[in-house]
Amino acid sequence: GDSVTQMEGPVTLSEEAFLTINCTYTATGYPSLFWYVQYPGEGLQLLLKATKADDKGSNKGFEATYRKETTSFHLEKGSVQVSDSAVYFCALSKRGYSTLTFGKGTMLLVSP
Amino acid sequence: AAGVIQSPRHLIKEKRETATLKCYPIPRHDTVYWYQQGPGQDPQFLISFYEKMQSDKGSIPDRFSAQQFSDYHSELNMSSLELGDSALYFCASLDRDNTEAFFGQGTRLTVV
Repeated sequence: GDSVTQMEGPVTLSEEAFLTINCTYTATGYPSLFWYVQYPGEGLQLLLKATKADDKGSNKGFEATYRKETTSFHLEKGSVQVSDSAVYFCALSKRGYSTLTFGKGTMLLVSP
Repeated sequence: AAGVIQSPRHLIKEKRETATLKCYPIPRHDTVYWYQQGPGQDPQFLISFYEKMQSDKGSIPDRFSAQQFSDYHSELNMSSLELGDSALYFCASLDRDNTEAFFGQGTRLTVV
């Protein structure tokens, strides 16, 4: 079945450091790919998405490029802030949003 | 802007009791999804509804049932609760173009 694999956390960075959270997927067909963010005590929020190969999703300084050849969708940000501390989930869907398959989440902790 | 409303936010039940979780989607959203997120786990898809009919089914136990009503709100009914049912239960609603899933803040169920 479909699956998403993320790097394990926590990822601990200092403010203004460069962030990469790796995500790879296994799926038949052509899934859409997403990054969701979950702040403490809150629900999931869509951070960015890409619906076809070579698409780049971007939002709030975060970026991820849909790489079909490597089945990856790594999340990057050039300069993290303390307020970026949260859990980040990579996810895929093959039929629009019919079901989202999530990775296990990566906690990001940013210190001043 | 209106968001997805879930109630209650917190619920404590004893083993073998029943619980009902409610989800009120964003107005004019006709699709609702339920997810279960155990402590430190990724969200697991339970069940979904489109136009008041069940559209997809995931890892929902037979002890659980759900439905979507004429006003598009949805209820997740959980019976014979077990300690392992303790989790955060998320509801998400989708717009008619299925371009983004909006998640509620979740109901935290604790079974003691």
